[in-house]
Amino acid sequence: EDKVVQSPLSLVVHEGDTVTLNCSYEVTNFRSLLWYKQEKKAPTFLFMLTSSGIEKKSGRLSSILDKKELFSILNITATQTGDSAIYLCVELGNQFYFGTGTSLTVIP
Amino acid sequence: GAGVSQSPSNKVTEKGKDVELRCDPISGHTALYWYRQSLGQGLEFLIYFQGNSAPDKSGLPSDRFSAERTGGSVSTLTIQRTQQEDSAVYLCASSYSHEQYFGPGTRLTVT
Repeated sequence: EDKVVQSPLSLVVHEGDTVTLNCSYEVTNFRSLLWYKQEKKAPTFLFMLTSSGIEKKSGRLSSILDKKELFSILNITATQTGDSAIYLCVELGNQFYFGTGTSLTVIP
Repeated sequence: GAGVSQSPSNKVTEKGKDVELRCDPISGHTALYWYRQSLGQGLEFLIYFQGNSAPDKSGLPSDRFSAERTGGSVSTLTIQRTQQEDSAVYLCASSYSHEQYFGPGTRLTVT
């Protein structure tokens, strides 16, 4: 059965720390992997990854996909309190498959 | 155990008709979310239920959309007078704390 597993489930760090969020997947007919940041309730799109080994960057955030080992990581460097959110990993195969999210709390 | 289920899995309707989409959350989960994912669009929040509190309807795109959650469990999303731009996958998720467990979605096509 296709599934997406995120780890850790929750994380508390201090401002300035670097964090790595993990997403592993088991899917048939993989098409793409997406990361979202969810603050309050509305998810904000971060990255879409389709090719293995190509890092995507946006400011302090970056993400990479490994299609051989079936995982993706989301890195956040120099974390800020505004990075506190739930980070959702979504895989698009024959349909959308959602992880349960990683809750990140950044404390001053 | 049983996850979040949604029905129907696919719905094709004519423009102007009303549709009802159902979500059965995981038993004991107090929070329930509705989202939609349109072709070429990101994940869009629609409405959020938490326990007995008044729902957060801030994401509903128009007054044609409404949702209710009966007995703190099953939820129904109703779209009245459907339009073609309503075509999307409608996703339901439930949670007890912060982890959200998503259902398989209902693919709605308005012709």
